[in-house]
Amino acid sequence: RKEVEQDPGPFNVPEGATVAFNCTYSNSASQSFFWYRQDCRKEPKLLMSVYSSGNEDGRFTAQLNRASQYISLLIRDSKLSDSATYLCVVPTNFGNEKLTFGTGTRLTIIP
Amino acid sequence: DTGVSQDPRHKITKRGQNVTFRCDPISEHNRLYWYRQTLGQGPEFLTYFQNEAQLEKSRLLSDRFSAERPKGSFSTLEIQRTEQGDSAMYLCASSLAGSYEQYFGPGTRLTVT
Repeated sequence: RKEVEQDPGPFNVPEGATVAFNCTYSNSASQSFFWYRQDCRKEPKLLMSVYSSGNEDGRFTAQLNRASQYISLLIRDSKLSDSATYLCVVPTNFGNEKLTFGTGTRLTIIP
Repeated sequence: DTGVSQDPRHKITKRGQNVTFRCDPISEHNRLYWYRQTLGQGPEFLTYFQNEAQLEKSRLLSDRFSAERPKGSFSTLEIQRTEQGDSAMYLCASSLAGSYEQYFGPGTRLTVT
């Protein structure tokens, strides 16, 4: 099993729709999880962190299921500006220095 | 702009040549990280520094790769005897010790011909 696994997509979603991405991880000892966003030809930027069962920030909700080693990201009322690649990230050491990234899920919002 | 900066932004080199990249982190950040990203993949961890000490190196970092952070500020990543498989985006990131958020620079895109 890969350390961090994501559906690469692409997801093509109409504006205003709700879209969800999934991510599985292999290290059951992992305590913290992140979603980063990467625009085309740009650097990754932190979108959300998840430490307990979940986190919500406006239209974005991240959920964690430790038993299934599964993280999800939900985007409601999607906007054209949400078009990007979403990277699931799991630290592989206690201090969160060494980040393991998934391959990313590419999202395109269609007008 | 007070973000992470990297130089050069693009580098084209012939196989067998040596290349060196520079990263300037956010000034108050004491941790600095190097990642490599190829097309269609997420960034892969290469190494990280806390101040001037290199604390961890990935097995991806072969003996042709060396990174330094001599004064705990900027860092350099050198690749010796480049190979076509080294073609990638090399990303630098920085953070404060104890903070989980890493701030990435714009990257150096290396093409080995």
